[in-house]
Amino acid sequence: GEDVEQSLFLSVREGDSSVINCTYTDSSSTYLYWYKQEPGAGLQLLTYIFSNMDMKQDQRLTVLLNKKDKHLSLRIADTQTGDSAIYFCAETLYNQGGKLIFGQGTELSVKP
Amino acid sequence: DAGVTQSPTHLIKTRGQQVTLRCSPKSGHDTVSWYQQALGQGPQFIFQYYEEEERQRGNFPDRFSGHQFPNYSSELNVNALLLGDSALYLCASSLVAGGLPNEKLFFGSGTQLSVL
Repeated sequence: GEDVEQSLFLSVREGDSSVINCTYTDSSSTYLYWYKQEPGAGLQLLTYIFSNMDMKQDQRLTVLLNKKDKHLSLRIADTQTGDSAIYFCAETLYNQGGKLIFGQGTELSVKP
Repeated sequence: DAGVTQSPTHLIKTRGQQVTLRCSPKSGHDTVSWYQQALGQGPQFIFQYYEEEERQRGNFPDRFSGHQFPNYSSELNVNALLLGDSALYLCASSLVAGGLPNEKLFFGSGTQLSVL
């Protein structure tokens, strides 16, 4: 079935790296996404990865995909207080483009 | 270049009433999807509109309906409101290319609906 799971909370110190993890169950995922949501705001697309890729790097963000274990991670280097937000992992399935299946979100707290 | 815009930003209704939420997609986009985000949860897919037709639907009752206009804007209607319909309603837009929706979905800031 369709299920995406994330740990609920992560707390780091400013300047450290943050790693947010996500697992999914459906092997027919085509794209996997990371979205950021700040209080009272909509969702901001941070990055995405096609399911046949293992890694994608975009400035401070690194996405790792382990398709065998159905595990996705987002690493934020040099985490700043402005990175404090809720981060959502999401997937789309083959032939269902536009329908995103979201995890519950991980609340990242960055302490100065 | 305007992004996805939604109106109104906040809305208060009472049980049994009907509500209409509106969405204008990002310039150049032709596909609109609607999501419901309950407090503390991830967004849940309601439905998607393309070429003025509902193309996909999530597990939502018929009380939830929608429409897409020729200019690609969209409305979400909810009838017979329940307390449990209180949530943030998000609209996302994308572009169909080669018959498949583009992988990039852009979200609006949402409409916060409170049902009393």
